[in-house]
Amino acid sequence: NAGVTQTPKFQVLKTGQSMTLQCAQDMNHEYMSWYRQDPGMGLRLIHYSVGAGITDQGEVPNGYNVSRSTTEDFPLRLLSAAPSQTSVYFCASSYSRTSGNNEQFFGPGTRLTVL
Amino acid sequence: GENVEQHPSTLSVQEGDSAVIKCTYSDSASNYFPWYKQELGKRPQLIIDIRSNVGEKKDQRIAVTLNKTAKHFSLHITETQPEDSAVYFCAARRGSTLGRLYFGRGTQLTVWP
Repeated sequence: NAGVTQTPKFQVLKTGQSMTLQCAQDMNHEYMSWYRQDPGMGLRLIHYSVGAGITDQGEVPNGYNVSRSTTEDFPLRLLSAAPSQTSVYFCASSYSRTSGNNEQFFGPGTRLTVL
Repeated sequence: GENVEQHPSTLSVQEGDSAVIKCTYSDSASNYFPWYKQELGKRPQLIIDIRSNVGEKKDQRIAVTLNKTAKHFSLHITETQPEDSAVYFCAARRGSTLGRLYFGRGTQLTVWP
């Protein structure tokens, strides 16, 4: 199992550009989420999904969109990048009905800089 | 929603000493409390968790205690080693297995040789 994978690892954008951060998991997890991590702020939830076709907002959703067309993939779209979106982004997944395991696993992260 | 507060934000200890990190939560419906360790430049990884029907759980040098009445839980690391240096996050989740985790802001633990 690859676990939770994210691409790219690093990205530099100019203000106003758009891009998609990719996230995939191969553990058949139902729950997936996106966090951003900023110094001193911990992990803040952007969006999450409890299954294919179902998404909801977290505590800092503005400027980001998500979709969940398959169980495996949960891309995060930045619509018009702003310097305030400079951060490290983590994707996470948890809960498999077959195993009953509730542990949340994190991807390796994407370091995004917006100039 | 849930509010998780974590203290202290930084903690320095001498190798071999114990370290304690404390968290409080606000939602009495929360029943799952994991702790994550994040080394510099790495992803957070689960180190121990506890459910609300248990008061204490140990795994070698780490232990977690839970006081449901006071709504607080703590991470205890004994015989600390330099490789324990990392940021530690506590979290809480309400009843559903598909519920979201609410994280504390983290504690930077430094263990000096």
